[in-house]
Amino acid sequence: DTAVSQTPKYLVTQMGNDKSIKCEQNLGHDTMYWYKQDSKKFLKIMFSYNNKELIINETVPNRFSPKSPDKAHLNLHINSLELGDSAVYFCASSQVRAYGYTFGSGTRLTVV
Amino acid sequence: EDQVTQSPEALRLQEGESSSLNCSYTVSGLRGLFWYRQDPGKGPEFLFTLYSAGEEKEKERLKATLTKKESFLHITAPKPEDSATYLCAVQVRGGSEKLVFGKGTKLTVNP
Repeated sequence: DTAVSQTPKYLVTQMGNDKSIKCEQNLGHDTMYWYKQDSKKFLKIMFSYNNKELIINETVPNRFSPKSPDKAHLNLHINSLELGDSAVYFCASSQVRAYGYTFGSGTRLTVV
Repeated sequence: EDQVTQSPEALRLQEGESSSLNCSYTVSGLRGLFWYRQDPGKGPEFLFTLYSAGEEKEKERLKATLTKKESFLHITAPKPEDSATYLCAVQVRGGSEKLVFGKGTKLTVNP
């Protein structure tokens, strides 16, 4: 039973394309996140949703649009992909006021 | 701005050679400090949360400690399976739930 699952695990696409990454958690957590890990392994938050409401939106290009259909799912849609978007994207979840995240295994996005 | 700095960037040990990883932080108010382990191609795996200065937590060969300015992850008699990148992160009091991560320490333990 995977707690936080992301699909796909690998995504290779051309510049200018639009792509989506899906995330689902079965932990009953009420908050979900997207983090980006760059080539230097630095993890930085992009978005956070609590009970389907956007609560964190860091300085991210508006080509990136998160969508949370329910509190167990958080998807990331990326328009007009650029070379600099190549990275590993991690989904995570937590329970508000209970410390610690659970991370998914990541989606490696390569833009060519 | 909230900041987390980890040192060293990389550490190579022989099996059984104990050492410590450092995480120094600058935050407006610390709600919690987290240690994660990340293996290649995988997501970070939770190890510890520390909430206040003086607190210590242990798990097998790992022990995490916290002061008002930094945290240490002590590794006693490491084994090759302890090889991984160790990430430190802080959660700020009164803010959102987000974690601010350091850049990690890549630990390699040679047999």
